[in-house]
Amino acid sequence: EDQVTQSPEALRLQEGESSSLNCSYTVSGLRGLFWYRQDPGKGPEFLFTLYSAGEEKEKERLKATLTKKESFLHITAPKPEDSATYLCAVQGDYKLSFGAGTTVTVRA
Amino acid sequence: KAGVTQTPRYLIKTRGQQVTLSCSPISGHRSVSWYQQTPGQGLQFLFEYFSETQRNKGNFPGRFSGRQFSNSRSEMNVSTLELGDSALYLCASSLVAGDYNEQFFGPGTRLTVL
Repeated sequence: EDQVTQSPEALRLQEGESSSLNCSYTVSGLRGLFWYRQDPGKGPEFLFTLYSAGEEKEKERLKATLTKKESFLHITAPKPEDSATYLCAVQGDYKLSFGAGTTVTVRA
Repeated sequence: KAGVTQTPRYLIKTRGQQVTLSCSPISGHRSVSWYQQTPGQGLQFLFEYFSETQRNKGNFPGRFSGRQFSNSRSEMNVSTLELGDSALYLCASSLVAGDYNEQFFGPGTRLTVL
């Protein structure tokens, strides 16, 4: 069974303090690794898809990277509006398997 | 364009009752997936429908069922509710089945079972 583990569970950052979130996974035949952002009371919002080791994607202050066993989401110089829960998911045979998420709080 | 809509947004039921949740996908999207989100288990896949056919199903008991209509709208039904069914139920739509790169989530239905 596909498994996704995210760490840390929670992260408190000062505005401008860069950090990284980790997503470790085991899957038979990775068809894609996905990062989502979820705000309280809302559904997840798609951020990135990574398909192969070595791939990187960037969007504003976020950068996602992928290796054969894990993915990192780097947050550079975060702002308070980056506060959210970040979810990682892997697509194996036919479905997405999600991690428990990392809740990021950025203080001004 | 309008996003994925789910109704109702909040629901309170008692154990043993049944419930039906509704999901209207983005116009033109023919695939609808359902997920259950709880603090303990996170987001878990329930099932996926495409062109009125269930394509895939997650590891949930038979009390959880769904269907999709010809206009791509989907409903999810849970019978004989248990306390553990309290969760946020999310649906997501995409143009084609399995295309999670272009999958958009609705705001969810918060179900509380008393």
